[in-house]
Amino acid sequence: EAGVAQSPRYKIIEKRQSVAFWCNPISGHATLYWYQQILGQGPKLLIQFQNNGVVDDSQLPKDRFSAERLKGVDSTLKIQPAKLEDSAVYLCASSLIRLAGGHDEQFFGPGTRLTVL
Amino acid sequence: ELKVEQNPLFLSMQEGKNYTIYCNYSTTSDRLYWYRQDPGKSLESLFVLLSNGAVKQEGRLMASLDTKARLSTLHITAAVHDLSATYFCAVVWDRDDKIIFGKGTRLHILP
Repeated sequence: EAGVAQSPRYKIIEKRQSVAFWCNPISGHATLYWYQQILGQGPKLLIQFQNNGVVDDSQLPKDRFSAERLKGVDSTLKIQPAKLEDSAVYLCASSLIRLAGGHDEQFFGPGTRLTVL
Repeated sequence: ELKVEQNPLFLSMQEGKNYTIYCNYSTTSDRLYWYRQDPGKSLESLFVLLSNGAVKQEGRLMASLDTKARLSTLHITAAVHDLSATYFCAVVWDRDDKIIFGKGTRLHILP
């Protein structure tokens, strides 16, 4: 079974530039997550989609970050304009919809390492 | 507010020794996950714990959950160098399904 795919794997940009990341979840996974992981810290959830609807974007800095999941499959995360503090690894994860009493174990992609100069 | 605390944050230990990593959380939860992350790599799922008293084991790792104490432990038995990695617990708040990761425990096992 193919895992979660992300691209690019690495990106270096200057501050105030724009950048976009792409994620393709595991086939059949309705829920998709974007995380920001700053060096030495745990992942922080930015946004969660179920199919093409947003479930939680409470920690997404909406003045500069945006995300979409058209057709409920692939997703893109955009930063415009980037700041130095956006340097981090951006992880995409996906899961099946949780059934009552069950769980929603997440499977992570390899991540995109962003460096903002 | 859901807070997740792991300790220790850093652990250096000798091969063959046993040790335990702790994950405390501040509010009620109905599911907890443990992940492993190797340097420069993504997160790999280790355990899913859903109920009070749940215990899962895989090789030299064993995870348990005490929902009354709001505590999960990850126990390492007879550590080997290959277990060197960062281990994260992630807790889902049962009120709104919000997931919070701990800061991680960086484990270094000396040969």
